[in-house]
Amino acid sequence: DVKVTQSSRYLVKRTGEKVFLECVQDMDHENMFWYRQDPGLGLRLIYFSYDVKMKEKGDIPEGYSVSREKKERFSLILESASTNQTSMYLCAARVGQGHYEQYFGPGTRLTVT
Amino acid sequence: KNEVEQSPQNLTAQEGEFITINCSYSVGISALHWLQQHPGGGIVSLFMLSSGKKKHGRLIATINIQEKHSSLHITASHPRDSAVYICATQAAGNKLTFGGGTRVLVKP
Repeated sequence: DVKVTQSSRYLVKRTGEKVFLECVQDMDHENMFWYRQDPGLGLRLIYFSYDVKMKEKGDIPEGYSVSREKKERFSLILESASTNQTSMYLCAARVGQGHYEQYFGPGTRLTVT
Repeated sequence: KNEVEQSPQNLTAQEGEFITINCSYSVGISALHWLQQHPGGGIVSLFMLSSGKKKHGRLIATINIQEKHSSLHITASHPRDSAVYICATQAAGNKLTFGGGTRVLVKP
């Protein structure tokens, strides 16, 4: 069975801290995505990666960076966490180009105080 | 830019009722996804379709490409169907554009 895991379900960090959110998939999928989900705003794409060491900005990349050194792992980095980055963060993976299901991780609820 | 609109935003039904959720989008797409999110966050893919109709158990998804519209139907609804249902469109490329979601509550 397909699996996408995220390193933490809940995380509390202080303003200014560097935060790492990790996502691992066991499906050998090329594409991986990071979204944030906020009430009233739905799911918004932060960054995605279509191959190792390849990345593209999504709709809201400001304040975030990503790293994909291995195919199975896609990390989201908050360089200096701010309170407006308090949100639910969801990772997803999908195979190749074309029409395929997208598999989501369980989400990390990040609170920045 | 593709806009994806869902209606209704919230829906309450009695157990056993037939439920319909609508999704409209503004530009041509290659596929449309229906997703389900239960309280606690996890999102599950229900359907992906590019034409016609798909059925899985009590769930039916339809799409009309010409009218840029899709519907998700739940027959004989059950309290365990209570969740947020999200439609997402896929144009050329890898990215999905998401609707705002429909919160469904099924009362016993």
